Amino acid sequence: EPEVTQTPSHQVTQMGQEVILRCVPISNHLYFYWYRQILGQKVEFLVSFYNNEISEKSEIFDDQFSVERPDGSNFTLKIRSTKLEDSAMYFCASSFQGDVETQYFGPGTRLLVL
Amino acid sequence: GENVEQHPSTLSVQEGDSAVIKCTYSDSASNYFPWYKQELGKRPQLIIDIRSNVGEKKDQRIAVTLNKTAKHFSLHITETQPEDSAVYFCAADNAGGTSYGKLTFGQGTILTVHP
Repeated sequence: EPEVTQTPSHQVTQMGQEVILRCVPISNHLYFYWYRQILGQKVEFLVSFYNNEISEKSEIFDDQFSVERPDGSNFTLKIRSTKLEDSAMYFCASSFQGDVETQYFGPGTRLLVL
Repeated sequence: GENVEQHPSTLSVQEGDSAVIKCTYSDSASNYFPWYKQELGKRPQLIIDIRSNVGEKKDQRIAVTLNKTAKHFSLHITETQPEDSAVYFCAADNAGGTSYGKLTFGQGTILTVHP
């Protein structure tokens, strides 16, 4: 069964550095999402992406964040200048055009900002 | 925006007992309610979902009920097994309205099934 994949699984970075988190959605999916989960807390929506543009974003998704689909398979989340509070698990998800609601999650990237 | 409240935060049961987790939502426009199971360090895995045009859905030992009037929905697990131990998250979505699948999650319930 196809799955969403994410790289890296873990990333440690210094405060102020840029990080890029990568995702490969399921191949015939057209809707892409990023969520984050701070340790011990609920999963929070960051952004949705369709047809090469942002569909919706949360208040968390400020100017430090950006998303891109650089090619036909990858979907990336960039954090320009990381803060300590960006430390979290970041999940990518994707869904199929015929069933937009059903989102399939990747394994996550654990980001630690020191 | 949507707000989802989930209770209880922890639930401990004996193997074979039933477990019930409840969620309430605030946005009456929400029309899709999935439940995810997350084992330690792993991805959230969709286990069952319900849309607003039905009141109940069952899949083997798990079932979900939805009360649109009261704006709450529940997950029922019968004949629990130790491998059911995980964190369970409910979520709500207004897909097809103004959003393209923005899931709002509850706080999660840590379910522990004792052998």
